[in-house]
Amino acid sequence: AQTVTQSQPEMSVQEAETVTLSCTYDTSESDYYLFWYKQPPSRQMILVIRQEAYKQQNATENRFSVNFQKAAKSFSLKISDSQLGDAAMYFCAYRRGNNDMRFGAGTRLTVKP
Amino acid sequence: DVKVTQSSRYLVKRTGEKVFLECVQDMDHENMFWYRQDPGLGLRLIYFSYDVKMKEKGDIPEGYSVSREKKERFSLILESASTNQTSMYLCASSEGQGRQPQHFGDGTRLSIL
Repeated sequence: AQTVTQSQPEMSVQEAETVTLSCTYDTSESDYYLFWYKQPPSRQMILVIRQEAYKQQNATENRFSVNFQKAAKSFSLKISDSQLGDAAMYFCAYRRGNNDMRFGAGTRLTVKP
Repeated sequence: DVKVTQSSRYLVKRTGEKVFLECVQDMDHENMFWYRQDPGLGLRLIYFSYDVKMKEKGDIPEGYSVSREKKERFSLILESASTNQTSMYLCASSEGQGRQPQHFGDGTRLSIL
């Protein structure tokens, strides 16, 4: 079974600085998708960024970018110029084909003013 | 604006009660999901529905059932609630093929006493 590991239960960052959240996953497949979701306090979970495994180029969405290392099975999220609104739980997730999503345990990010 | 609405944000029930969690989406999505979110475990899929009256078990279906009589509504049922079902429950929906949730509800925090 595929598993997703987020080794940092909590992280903090100073406003305007950069933070990187780690994610590793276990799979024997070559074609799959990876995701980062954001869950703000008492608000809906939203998709932040998505990466197709067959694409070598790292996905980017404004201040959010990923470092996808396929051979190492690593998928970290970098948040640049952190803002107070970035404070949330962040979940890394994996999906292959039409199978169910597999979520990591989450990383709680605190942004200090 | 797309919306997934869960009927209750907080719910307190007693052991042995039959509990209904309701979820409604207004996007005419084919797919709907029920997840359970626990600290240190991330999100785990309870049930998935890809059409009216169609359902598939997820990773942790034991103790739960679901009902989808209309496309927009997906209900999660705890037949006889137990304390180990105290958790946050998230409903989600998506369109098309594939089991990737696109839009999430706010969640229901359920306590079983």
